[in-house]
Amino acid sequence: AQSVTQLDSQVPVFEEAPVELRCNYSSSVSVYLFWYVQYPNQGLQLLLKYLSGSTLVKGINGFEAEFNKSQTSFHLRKPSVHISDTAEYFCAVSDPGGSQGNLIFGKGTKLSVKP
Amino acid sequence: TAGITQAPTSQILAAGRSMTLRCTQDMRHNAMYWYRQDLGLGLRLIHYSNTAGTTGKGEVPDGYSVSRANTDDFPLTLASAVPSQTSVYFCASSDSSTGPYGYTFGSGTRLTVV
Repeated sequence: AQSVTQLDSQVPVFEEAPVELRCNYSSSVSVYLFWYVQYPNQGLQLLLKYLSGSTLVKGINGFEAEFNKSQTSFHLRKPSVHISDTAEYFCAVSDPGGSQGNLIFGKGTKLSVKP
Repeated sequence: TAGITQAPTSQILAAGRSMTLRCTQDMRHNAMYWYRQDLGLGLRLIHYSNTAGTTGKGEVPDGYSVSRANTDDFPLTLASAVPSQTSVYFCASSDSSTGPYGYTFGSGTRLTVV
């Protein structure tokens, strides 16, 4: 079965610094990949998605992610973070072996942006 | 505003009692899902429904049941709550007929079983 690993449970960073949140998935077969953001006491919002085509995907709020098939990774990056980016970020992958449309989520990375 | 509505927002429930968490969407998405979110464990799928009239079990279905009588509603029932069901529950939907293009999530129900 498909699985997703987010290597860092917490990432502290200073405002205006760059950040990378790491995500690796287990399967080398064709997958769809997603990043979601959850602000405190809210539901999850879609940041960006990779379905096919260009391996560099741009999302909302200045975030981007790069799909690397050989390393089965989909790391999320932002060149300069803001205080408002403080949130929990979830990587997710479609499960080709599961029910159509089911996503498997990583355990999340809490991004804390400090002034 | 189009999206998913979950109710209640929060609830404290005595162990052994039953409860139904409500979820309604107005996007005509065919697929709906229930997840629970626990600290350090991320989101785990409880049950899903690919279309009205069908349901399936996810990763952690024990102690929960669902029904999908129509496209818009997907209630989650706890027949006899236990403290380990204390969690934040999220309902989500997607138009999976055209591929897993991402989910729309509700704002969640915070449930405490005492």
